[in-house]
Parts: sequence; structure tokens; C-alpha cells
Amino acid sequence: GDSVTQMEGPVTLSEEAFLTINCTYTATGYPSLFWYVQYPGEGLQLLLKATKADDKGSNKGFEATYRKETTSFHLEKGSVQVSDSAVYFCALRSSTSGTYKYIFGTGTRLKVLA
Amino acid sequence: EAGVTQSPTHLIKTRGQQVTLRCSPISGHTSVYWYQQALGLGLQFLLWYDEGEERNRGNFPPRFSGRQFPNYSSELNVNALELEDSALYLCASSLAGKKGDTQYFGPGTRLTVL
Repeated sequence: GDSVTQMEGPVTLSEEAFLTINCTYTATGYPSLFWYVQYPGEGLQLLLKATKADDKGSNKGFEATYRKETTSFHLEKGSVQVSDSAVYFCALRSSTSGTYKYIFGTGTRLKVLA
Repeated sequence: EAGVTQSPTHLIKTRGQQVTLRCSPISGHTSVYWYQQALGLGLQFLLWYDEGEERNRGNFPPRFSGRQFPNYSSELNVNALELEDSALYLCASSLAGKKGDTQYFGPGTRLTVL
């Protein structure tokens, strides 16, 4: 069945460090891929998305490229800030026989130190 | 534009009791999703409603149930509460069908079962 695997956290970085959070997926067809972010005490917010192969989603300095050949959607940011401390979820939406299914990864906690 | 709203914010119940959680989707969204997020864990899919019908159900016992009303708001009911039901319950909404690839989340209801 469809699945999303993301790197386990927590990830601890110093401010201005480079961030990569790995995400790989298994799905039939051509799923849409997402990164959501959850700040402490809040619900999830869409960070970025990509709907087809080679698309790059970007927002707030974060980027992820839909790589069909490696079934990956890794999240990157060139210089993290303390305010980026949150839990990041990789997710996919796939379609089978007209029914849509969302699958979320287990989340990766990021802590950025000043 | 108002986002997804959930009520109540927090709830404390005892084992064996019943609880009802409520969700109002973004105006124009007909799909509503419910997720359980236990402490330290990822999102577990509970239920998906669209146009008043249950479209999909996660791997949860029948004591988890819900419904969607004609105005597309939704309720999640949990009967015979158990300690392990303590979690953050998140509601999300989306447009229907192919256009609904992005889910928008509410802030959640924190349920504590004593």
C-alpha cells in the first residue's frame, strides 16, 4: 500500500545552519506531495506542495523537489532560524479508482538553537 | 476568509464516558477529515466525510464514529472512552475531488481521559 517514510528526529541545528529532512514515498500512479508544519500547540499548516514530477515547491525559504525517479521529496532550507523550530510532516495524496487517500509521515521534530 | 474551526479547545473526561468534538470547515469546502495525534506520534487517519457521506475510515474501533451535516460541518463521537484515547484530535477540510489536494487544518481539540 501507499506509504510515506521520513527521517526520524529530533533534528537539532544551530541558527543559520543548512537543513535537510528526508522523505521518500511509495504510491501507485502520480501522487501529489506535501510538506506540512506544526508549531507548538497548533494544528498543521501547509508549507509547500508539488503535484507532478520535477515540480519544486517553495515557501518561506523552504524548498522541496518532486523526484519520481528516487520517489523522494526532501525538504531543504539554506539558513534556519529559531522560529523554524516545529514538527515537519511529509504527506502524499494518491488517487485509486476515483477515491483519494492522504498518507502522512510520522513527523520530524526540528529544534533550532540561537 | 475564516479557517477551519474546532470546538472545544480542551476537554477532560473519565474512562467510560462519551465525547463529541465539532468541526466547521472553510466555506466552500465539502470534505472533512478527522485525525488522531497521540503525544509524540504522527497523525492517524480516523474518518473522511464528503457531501454528507462517510468516504473512508481508518483502522479504529466502531466506538469512533461521526457524521457530516448539510452545512458540511462535522462531529466526531467517541464512546466508552479509554485512557489511550487521550490525544489531539485534528480536523481538516478540503475542496472535493481533484481540486481538493490540499487539506487545511484546524487548531485541534485536546482530549484528556482520566
